[in-house]
Amino acid sequence: GQSLEQPSEVTAVEGAIVQINCTYQTSGFYGLSWYQQHDGGAPTFLSYNALDGLEETGRFSSFLSRSDSYGYLLLQELQMKDSASYFCAVARGATNKLIFGTGTLLAVQP
Amino acid sequence: GAVVSQHPSWVICKSGTSVKIECRSLDFQATTMFWYRQFPKQSLMLMATSNEGSKATYEQGVEKDKFLINHASLTLSTLTVTSAHPEDSSFYICSAFLAGEPSYGYTFGSGTRLTIV
Repeated sequence: GQSLEQPSEVTAVEGAIVQINCTYQTSGFYGLSWYQQHDGGAPTFLSYNALDGLEETGRFSSFLSRSDSYGYLLLQELQMKDSASYFCAVARGATNKLIFGTGTLLAVQP
Repeated sequence: GAVVSQHPSWVICKSGTSVKIECRSLDFQATTMFWYRQFPKQSLMLMATSNEGSKATYEQGVEKDKFLINHASLTLSTLTVTSAHPEDSSFYICSAFLAGEPSYGYTFGSGTRLTIV
């Protein structure tokens, strides 16, 4: 089987740093990706980790530890527009179907 | 980058009718398209993988006769919700994988909000 577990909700204030965790159980692991989704919209790609370590893209960073089956998304200098749902995801199988985590709703408060 | 055009963006239908959702790949050929369903405050659940020129592959628990998928050309995949009922009301979204695309290869349509009354 496969599962990607995330906290359901996280609340933080503007300007703060927040970390969203993702623990996974999946076979044939090729890497962990992160997506942002605003209500009613399509997922937007944020970051991808194929190897262990930290990937930095502007205010967003993502970390992966394959030995721990764990990753996280780090959002710095939070802004109100960062309020959204965040999903980790893995690609599976010969068709590269993308399987999403349970999702985390981030609420940024003034 | 690659673009997937999805229509309609929203639709309201009466219970018992069938609804067709289209996804077109613009400027690229999508041999494979993925269809997802998302209920409010939940994750995107993969329903099926649409393969050009062959039968779709459905995920466990998804009714093949309920959700008909057709991928007759390299640029068009359709999802038809047959005999729709209020419990089928959801957000449906398609995605194509294109190796080499900056966004880790996955391009999403804009989604269809389906409401059955």
